[in-house]
Amino acid sequence: EAGVAQSPRYKIIEKRQSVAFWCNPISGHATLYWYQQILGQGPKLLIQFQNNGVVDDSQLPKDRFSAERLKGVDSTLKIQPAKLEDSAVYLCASSLAGGFPYNEQFFGPGTRLTVL
Amino acid sequence: TQLLEQSPQFLSIQEGENLTVYCNSSSVFSSLQWYRQEPGEGPVLLVTVVTGGEVKKLKRLTFQFGDARKDSSLHITAAQPGDTGLYLCAGAGQFYFGTGTSLTVIP
Repeated sequence: EAGVAQSPRYKIIEKRQSVAFWCNPISGHATLYWYQQILGQGPKLLIQFQNNGVVDDSQLPKDRFSAERLKGVDSTLKIQPAKLEDSAVYLCASSLAGGFPYNEQFFGPGTRLTVL
Repeated sequence: TQLLEQSPQFLSIQEGENLTVYCNSSSVFSSLQWYRQEPGEGPVLLVTVVTGGEVKKLKRLTFQFGDARKDSSLHITAAQPGDTGLYLCAGAGQFYFGTGTSLTVIP
């Protein structure tokens, strides 16, 4: 079974530029998550999708971050414009359904973003 | 926001030693998960604990959920270099991850 795919793996941009990350979840997984992980910290949930609808985006900085999952499969996360403090690893995860605690999340390898 | 504090933040030990990592919160959780994250990879689920006082064993790893469901611990017996990684606890409900414990096992 293929895992969660993310691209690119690394991205370096200058502040005020725009950047987009792509995620393809495990086939059949209805729930998709985007996390931000700053070096030395645990992941922070940015947004959770159930199929193509948003379940929780309370911690998404909506003035600069946006995410979509138009067909309920793959998803993109965009930052516009980027700030220095956005330097982090952006993790995508998927699960069969959103019901915690019994539902295991499967994580992709992440995209490491460096903002100069 | 439910905060999950993990301790220690960093741990470096020799192969064969035992260690315990702690996850504490002032909030009650209906359940809690432990993940391990290796460099350049995403976290991988190790275990889910759901009952206060529950103890689960996974080979050399022993997980315990506190009676009050506010804390949890992970004990590793006879650590091996392959145990090296970032250990994260995560609480139920919204996906709150702990601050993480970075473990290095020296051969």
